[in-house]
Amino acid sequence: DIVMTQSPDSLAVSLGERATINCKSSQSVLYSSNNKNYLTWYQQKPGQPPKLLIYWASTRESGVPDRFSGSGSGTDFTLNISSLQAEDVAVYYCQQHYSIPFTFGPGTKVDIK
Amino acid sequence: EVQLLESGGGSVQPGGSLRLSCAASGFTFSTYAMSWVRQAPGKGLEWVSVISGSGDSTYYADSVKGRFTISRDNAKNTLYLQMNSLRADDAAVYYCAKLSGGSCYSALMLWGQGTLVTVSS
Repeated sequence: DIVMTQSPDSLAVSLGERATINCKSSQSVLYSSNNKNYLTWYQQKPGQPPKLLIYWASTRESGVPDRFSGSGSGTDFTLNISSLQAEDVAVYYCQQHYSIPFTFGPGTKVDIK
Repeated sequence: EVQLLESGGGSVQPGGSLRLSCAASGFTFSTYAMSWVRQAPGKGLEWVSVISGSGDSTYYADSVKGRFTISRDNAKNTLYLQMNSLRADDAAVYYCAKLSGGSCYSALMLWGQGTLVTVSS
């Protein structure tokens, strides 16, 4: 199974400042035939279901603010929130859908400092 | 409006069974793979199972393999999860999710609100 790890476990950032979350997979999730990373980021606000933010590691879902961006390839990925807003308080998860069983990272909780 | 509505959750004794349903609307159901993901209280997300748009392909997490069965009725726009031999560690909110395409190897594009399963004697 591919093990997903995230760092940090939690972080507190001042409003308007940058938040950076890292995600690492135990093996590459880059599919060579289409050059796509099977890595997705989700946001889960308290009491709500998760919401898709970024897919193929760096493609922003429609309607997601452009302060959210994803980068990385192979085994190392990053989610950036360029200017944290109050509504961004949430837990963020990465997930690989490269191989069964699909696995999630443990989540990173983002709060306001 | 694209919508997923889960039902069927509840309280069951260890060893018991439940069938979850997920009614889909607002999109061509048979075109999309569908999945179940669960979240134990206060814990992270755990992928459970996925089924292709046609229903021909199904995959499971090791933790539920042989006990849970995913299925779909494309005529009724409904996804199911039959859960047998339930254990205490199966207790969770179960979400159904629409994938972004027909392939099982796609992102989880849209999630339902979830249904709570409690396993306790």
